[in-house]
Amino acid sequence: GQYIDQPTEMTATEGAIVQINCTYQTSGFNGLFWYQQHAGEAPTFLSYNVLDGLEEKGRFSSFLSRSKGYSYLLLKELQMKDSASYLCASFRDDKIIFGKGTRLHILP
Amino acid sequence: DVKVTQSSRYLVKRTGEKVFLECVQDMDHENMFWYRQDPGLGLRLIYFSYDVKMKEKGDIPEGYSVSREKKERFSLILESASTNQTSMYLCASSLGDNNEQFFGPGTRLTVL
Repeated sequence: GQYIDQPTEMTATEGAIVQINCTYQTSGFNGLFWYQQHAGEAPTFLSYNVLDGLEEKGRFSSFLSRSKGYSYLLLKELQMKDSASYLCASFRDDKIIFGKGTRLHILP
Repeated sequence: DVKVTQSSRYLVKRTGEKVFLECVQDMDHENMFWYRQDPGLGLRLIYFSYDVKMKEKGDIPEGYSVSREKKERFSLILESASTNQTSMYLCASSLGDNNEQFFGPGTRLTVL
């Protein structure tokens, strides 16, 4: 089955809040990364969660529940520049496994 | 600032050619990675290296090989390019296993 899963596409409105979910296999799990990738560009690091709970970094927050194999990335006060793909990646058994990414469309 | 550079942004090769993709990082990182990224398939790990002269297979190593003769340089080699290797190739480096990866700008390879 899928080691890591996230929605393919999401749409939200400028100024709103959006939550991008990610589920992963819990065996051998060590931590969960989130990356942002604008079209035609390389991924850039957003966050890394090891412990349960919410970590906030400005308009972006990332949550982890190790027991449930679940994470989400929360984006507040959406701006047009937040239109991008968001990749979750599981650090598992000494390897990083990327999800297929969620393409986020922001409407004015 | 960490900088990861790749030898070409765009490359066009013919079927059967040998192709070299080079990646250089300037932050003395131990780990280096090669991925390919295709629509609908996401980032897939081809090979990675934890140290000079060491290499490990990723999820899709078939048709590829790598070389790491110096710490800062990690090369991806396509021994005999095929059309199904047309893709975006991304190199990355990290300080340790659970540290963030820094990506290069990518090489878009087209095999005709």
